Amino acid sequence: AQKVTQAQTEISVVEKEDVTLDCVYETRDTTYYLFWYKQPPSGELVFLIRRNSFDEQNEISGRYSWNFQKSTSSFNFTITASQVVDSAVYFCALSEAGERGGSNYKLTFGKGTLLTVNP
Amino acid sequence: DGGITQSPKYLFRKEGQNVTLSCEQNLNHDAMYWYRQDPGQGLRLIYYSQIVNDFQKGDIAEGYSVSREKKESFPLTVTSAQKNPTAFYLCASSLGNRGRETQYFGPGTRLLVL
Repeated sequence: AQKVTQAQTEISVVEKEDVTLDCVYETRDTTYYLFWYKQPPSGELVFLIRRNSFDEQNEISGRYSWNFQKSTSSFNFTITASQVVDSAVYFCALSEAGERGGSNYKLTFGKGTLLTVNP
Repeated sequence: DGGITQSPKYLFRKEGQNVTLSCEQNLNHDAMYWYRQDPGQGLRLIYYSQIVNDFQKGDIAEGYSVSREKKESFPLTVTSAQKNPTAFYLCASSLGNRGRETQYFGPGTRLLVL
């Protein structure tokens, strides 16, 4: 069964600090996809990134970067020089290709990390 | 603008009442989903639909019903059988239903029981 663990329930930082949000996943499939979503106070989930299991290259997008390590089943998200607008709940999610009888439609979410960036 | 709309933003339900949440998308996506979010929790899948006139139960379908008569629309009915309906409901869609497809979300409907 697929599972996503975000051990950090809440993180509070001061503006301009760097912050890393942890995500650990479990799956039996060799083909799977990892996602990060941002949920600002308005409630809508905003898609940030998708990664497939065969692409372990780290990715950088502006102040955001992602570190995917299959050896530790982790897909961590770092915000550099955080800003107040980064304050939100961040969700890590996993979907499988369904190779080993698992569902290939289901997006399994972690419980989210509430990030508060203080001015 | 392409996107997903949900209405209403807030919905109040009386005991024993059925209520319907609307979800519309103009992204030409085949697959649509309904999730429930409780405070401090991740999202849990209620129902999903891969194509028009077809839908499947998710992890927490009891007390809910859906229909998919049009590609653009996937309404969710919260029935009186759902004993704890107070939650934030999010609709999503994706191009296909395979795991690699990114799901895009609407703004959500907050349901409160009077």
